Amino acid sequence: QSALTQPPSASGSPGQSVTISCTGTSGDVGGYNYVSWYQQHPGKAPKLLIFEVSKRPSGVPDRFSGSKSGSTASLTVSGLQAEDEADYYCKSYAGVSAGSNTWVFGGGTKLTVL
Amino acid sequence: EVQLVESGGGLVQPGGSLRLSCVASGFTFSNYDMHWVRQARGKGLEWVSGIGTVGDTHYPDSVRGRFTTSRDNAKDSLYLQLNSLRAWDTAVYYCARGSYCYSGHCSPVGAFDIWGQGTMVTVSS
Repeated sequence: QSALTQPPSASGSPGQSVTISCTGTSGDVGGYNYVSWYQQHPGKAPKLLIFEVSKRPSGVPDRFSGSKSGSTASLTVSGLQAEDEADYYCKSYAGVSAGSNTWVFGGGTKLTVL
Repeated sequence: EVQLVESGGGLVQPGGSLRLSCVASGFTFSNYDMHWVRQARGKGLEWVSGIGTVGDTHYPDSVRGRFTTSRDNAKDSLYLQLNSLRAWDTAVYYCARGSYCYSGHCSPVGAFDIWGQGTMVTVSS
């Protein structure tokens, strides 16, 4: 149950697109289409952005999109806006361990809007 | 309004215990998986437990045997019993809503779509 690997930081100018990667293994990201992404502003609770790799909950702008290739999932933020500056976390189902369904988060990526 | 409100955090000595609560409102609590996620100061998110609609519990290796999650559907409440606490358990603990389950089918999978504001647990002597 090791954390998924995300780059610690990413940045882009307003209007640009940024892609954040999330690398796991065949035991988590690569084995299941149960990757989700969360946005967290300082001092706030996380907010669901993407679930089941590429689905958006109602109310999440279509500027946010998700995809997966092999054991690497990606979150793309298009048309960057100042309010997108936040921490982003991926999460994946990681199979069964000692009878428990388990979930694992990525280490998080701090997105800076220049 | 769909809402989760945690309580029960505080300062506890190493080796001590604490019981966290999370009260749900605005949705049919009994139809949802529920989870606890923690975040140490300045660190990332860590999933620490999950409980299904029929009371099945799930834990990562890091807390199995020390943490116990339970639910009381009559009180729309989720609980996390923390035992044998260590300094590295110091964190903000969030409860989160998971999948909607009906007749044995749960969907969507892994979408923690509602989060509480968190409750702080500090383990220190």
